[in-house]
Amino acid sequence: GAGVSQSPSNKVTEKGKDVELRCDPISGHTALYWYRQRLGQGLEFLIYFQGNSAPDKSGLPSDRFSAERTGESVSTLTIQRTQQEDSAVYLCASSLPSKTDNYGYTFGSGTRLTVV
Amino acid sequence: AQKVTQAQTEISVVEKEDVTLDCVYETRDTTYYLFWYKQPPSGELVFLIRRNSFDEQNEISGRYSWNFQKSTSSFNFTITASQVVDSAVYFCALRPVIQGAQKLVFGQGTRLTINP
Repeated sequence: GAGVSQSPSNKVTEKGKDVELRCDPISGHTALYWYRQRLGQGLEFLIYFQGNSAPDKSGLPSDRFSAERTGESVSTLTIQRTQQEDSAVYLCASSLPSKTDNYGYTFGSGTRLTVV
Repeated sequence: AQKVTQAQTEISVVEKEDVTLDCVYETRDTTYYLFWYKQPPSGELVFLIRRNSFDEQNEISGRYSWNFQKSTSSFNFTITASQVVDSAVYFCALRPVIQGAQKLVFGQGTRLTINP
């Protein structure tokens, strides 16, 4: 597609439920990133995928968070047993490999997650 | 460790005034990229500029200009003759230029409000 697509755009869930967030990157972008942005805060790195390499999971805040990506296509971020502190906007971005990437990332519009 | 500091949480000016957004960074890497992104109310981050650490030449793009000073680890952003449409949250970010190190480290952002 023309841009990075994320779904759903908004998600309200009850505490303790599991949620899945989806990211569809730009075609041909081998790198994919998930970030979290709490209200009024900066962007917090969660996880990074690059092609078939092992993902960099160093930013995942707990074992309730996981993400998958098949090849260079769609990624899903799963949060199990959601807590109120998980409420945030979850942003996905994609990019070309670093050697050819002149413009940083292209971000999606995000999924606003509210845990009640 | 890498860190980006945007000390100005919020700035409010009247239209047509010039405004400078500060960014100070910390890194042990000898080469790195610096970025500025704009996040309008719609939420999607928009790439503005990428600067390589070994290129200290300042850059101007229309009403936007960037002042990179490696000696003080700063990468400030100036908007000349501000307009209401410039109202947004602006993020400064850092990324090392080494294989595999793709993730961007963001500052906390500066919320800029341009009043008519």
